[in-house]
Amino acid sequence: KQEVTQIPAALSVPEGENLVLNCSFTDSAIYNLQWFRQDPGKGLTSLLLIQSSQREQTSGRLNASLDKSSGRSTLYIAASQPGDSATYLCAAPRGYSTLTFGKGTMLLVSP
Amino acid sequence: NAGVTQTPKFRVLKTGQSMTLLCAQDMNHEYMYWYRQDPGMGLRLIHYSVGEGTTAKGEVPDGYNVSRLKKQNFLLGLESAAPSQTSVYFCASSYRGGGETQYFGPGTRLLVL
Repeated sequence: KQEVTQIPAALSVPEGENLVLNCSFTDSAIYNLQWFRQDPGKGLTSLLLIQSSQREQTSGRLNASLDKSSGRSTLYIAASQPGDSATYLCAAPRGYSTLTFGKGTMLLVSP
Repeated sequence: NAGVTQTPKFRVLKTGQSMTLLCAQDMNHEYMYWYRQDPGMGLRLIHYSVGEGTTAKGEVPDGYNVSRLKKQNFLLGLESAAPSQTSVYFCASSYRGGGETQYFGPGTRLLVL
């Protein structure tokens, strides 16, 4: 059974800081991992999908890495902005059809 | 291109009442999912469908039924609502299964009194 854990549960940083969000998963036989963003009262928006063969994926100021052997993924946010304030969730495949989500890291970036 | 839409946005039910939540997607996706999101519990899969006419149980299927009569629609039914079903319900779709990006709807907030 796939279990996904995200640490920390909440994070508060001043604007401009670089930060790292962590995600760990128990079943390392995954073929990809996804990171999502959720704004308050909204649905989830996909940020990055890393294939197991890629190890890293970048989109603008976001960089996600995947290390299957250690069961870990990190989301790096460079030069954080108040608009980055949201909850960030990672999700790992469970079988072929579904995803298992972590509980998320709530990020607050202060001006 | 509306993506994934959900109806209604908010609903209040009394215990024992029934209702149906509608999810629609216009991306020609094969897979559709229903999740519930509760504080401290995260996002949990209720039911999903891998194609028109198919449904399968997720982690927390009890008290819910689903139907996928048309490829673009996925209905979630509560036959006899209970206060424990107070939650925010999200629908999602993907072109194929777990290896594909899931696209989420805006959610339905349900309060059962």
